[in-house]
Amino acid sequence: SQTIHQWPATLVQPVGSPLSLECTVEGTSNPNLYWYRQAAGRGLQLLFYSVGIGQISSEVPQNLSASRPQDRQFILSSKKLLLSDSGFYLCAWSVVQYDTEAFFGQGTRLTVV
Amino acid sequence: DQQVKQNSPSLSVQEGRISILNCDYTNSMFDYFLWYKKYPAEGPTFLISISSIKDKNEDGRFTVFLNKSAKHLSLHIVPFQPGDSAVYFCAASEGDQTGANNLFFGTGTRLTVIP
Repeated sequence: SQTIHQWPATLVQPVGSPLSLECTVEGTSNPNLYWYRQAAGRGLQLLFYSVGIGQISSEVPQNLSASRPQDRQFILSSKKLLLSDSGFYLCAWSVVQYDTEAFFGQGTRLTVV
Repeated sequence: DQQVKQNSPSLSVQEGRISILNCDYTNSMFDYFLWYKKYPAEGPTFLISISSIKDKNEDGRFTVFLNKSAKHLSLHIVPFQPGDSAVYFCAASEGDQTGANNLFFGTGTRLTVIP
């Protein structure tokens, strides 16, 4: 069966510090991978998606970046966090043929102070 | 611009009763709709979906109704159980642009049980 791991579960970081959130998927090959953010009072917002190694599409301009160094690894990064980066970050994957249904990780609660 | 709207941030339901969650959308090109359920500190999990060629889809206690002319869908949970307490997200996509990168989510409705 497929599983998705996302860590850390919670993170408190000072403004201006770097960020690295990691997500890995097991039990499937060549998944589509996604990073979403849920800010307070807002819906899930797609930040990045990837259809393959090294292929990243950005949906929203921001000071975040994403990388996919391996087939089943997706990393969300920032060089300098802003207060507005606080939120709940979710990694997700989908199977190419049926990829409207995404499967989500546990999420990371990021608080920038 | 929120293309998928869930106008009720929270609802309370008695155990055993029917729970109805509503969702409205503005993009007439949307033709695939999904509901996700999210517990605190967990990622959303897929619950049920419906294609625009249908007006109803059932899965156990969960039924989704779609009214394309009104651009409205609803999720019925019958009977409501305490374990159903969660945040429910409505999502939509355009059929010829399949891919979770084209999913538009609502802001969610928090459903809680009235003891």
